[in-house]
Amino acid sequence: QQQVKQSPQSLIVQKGGIPIINCAYENTAFDYFPWYQQFPGKGPALLIAIRPDVSEKKEGRFTISFNKSAKQFSLHIMDSQPGDSATYFCAASLYQTGANNLFFGTGTRLTVIP
Amino acid sequence: KAGVTQTPRYLIKTRGQQVTLSCSPISGHRSVSWYQQTPGQGLQFLFEYFSETQRNKGNFPGRFSGRQFSNSRSEMNVSTLELGDSALYLCASSPDLFDYNEQFFGPGTRLTVL
Repeated sequence: QQQVKQSPQSLIVQKGGIPIINCAYENTAFDYFPWYQQFPGKGPALLIAIRPDVSEKKEGRFTISFNKSAKQFSLHIMDSQPGDSATYFCAASLYQTGANNLFFGTGTRLTVIP
Repeated sequence: KAGVTQTPRYLIKTRGQQVTLSCSPISGHRSVSWYQQTPGQGLQFLFEYFSETQRNKGNFPGRFSGRQFSNSRSEMNVSTLELGDSALYLCASSPDLFDYNEQFFGPGTRLTVL
């Protein structure tokens, strides 16, 4: 049972575009929502994370929007660049059962065309 | 500071054999988590070790086991390998398990079971 559902599976945008990746979760007890970026041959790397007490968080060109009532959160990449081409994973965890036990979405392969 | 290292990077085994994978966390990190990554199931949490004790466990059969040494290095073992165990096995380290610290992933060990 997928605890975190992610869409779309793949995404192609032009350079400068704003790709948006969406995730939805079922467990209302989740209290930590990170996004990871993975390049081929590498392990995932943390991009940005949010706690449910805020609705938005920005770090550089990356923004997380969080909607607690809808149990959804999304990643926006402003002014996307070819170097952003990678697979993006959303995730969730809860402190109660282990802050480091991440439930991952299925991933979105992003391609940014020059 | 050196990142998370995993050895070996690639491994080919046959069904029924067993395998041991190794992970050296970032210096000073005491928590080590293991994940399995497959195209079909995505990233799934296997277990987490802290202070040489398993603290959390995912939904995997008992053929998957691990341990952690006093220097925080960790190994995971898969016995009686099945074709479905072919995957990228990722190790992640973090300072501890008491807060939402960033998990740093290694490059993974690609296991192929023939």
